[in-house]
Amino acid sequence: LAKTTQPISMDSYEGQEVNITCSHNNIATNDYITWYQQFPSQGPRFIIQGYKTKVTNEVASLFIPADRKSSTLSLPRVSLSDTAVYYCLVGDSTGGFKTIFGAGTRLFVKA
Amino acid sequence: EAGVAQSPRYKIIEKRQSVAFWCNPISGHATLYWYQQILGQGPKLLIQFQNNGVVDDSQLPKDRFSAERLKGVDSTLKIQPAKLEDSAVYLCASSSRTSGYNEQFFGPGTRLTVL
Repeated sequence: LAKTTQPISMDSYEGQEVNITCSHNNIATNDYITWYQQFPSQGPRFIIQGYKTKVTNEVASLFIPADRKSSTLSLPRVSLSDTAVYYCLVGDSTGGFKTIFGAGTRLFVKA
Repeated sequence: EAGVAQSPRYKIIEKRQSVAFWCNPISGHATLYWYQQILGQGPKLLIQFQNNGVVDDSQLPKDRFSAERLKGVDSTLKIQPAKLEDSAVYLCASSSRTSGYNEQFFGPGTRLTVL
């Protein structure tokens, strides 16, 4: 299972773009990269998932370079409500895709 | 679509007592997960079911924790006897292959305090 490394915390201001990078040097060929968001007193919520290049949805973008050893979650124009913990996970679907959450990145958005 | 339901939301017990948590996954989701999340840490997978069979329980402390998923739908996680270090939020999640790889839907969790 590929281990992930993320910054422990990040600060930003409302309206800014936030980029959170995750390192996963041992990613396997079958592995996908998934990001979750967790607010206090709630369970994690799926944000975005990708395999390579760029994926975009209504919430975020995910950039994955060609070597796939890292990935960057991009949150455009953050607001105070984006203050949360963001988790990067790497895993595949074979054998029931085991899920390992790291400590995540605590994002603080200030007014 | 109804989400993952969990009960109770909060539970306070004394050490050495027993406790049980219940989870009702999203209808049609074959895979069900139980996680333990200690304050300040990411969720730790305790057990994963595929229908009513166990896929992974490598991190479940089997001397005190047990879980079952009868008929491949609802699931119950039990702790007997509880220890102080079991104080945590217990999260249930479910997924299906049609929802994408690794896209798990989480319930609100049960916050357990062991005194």
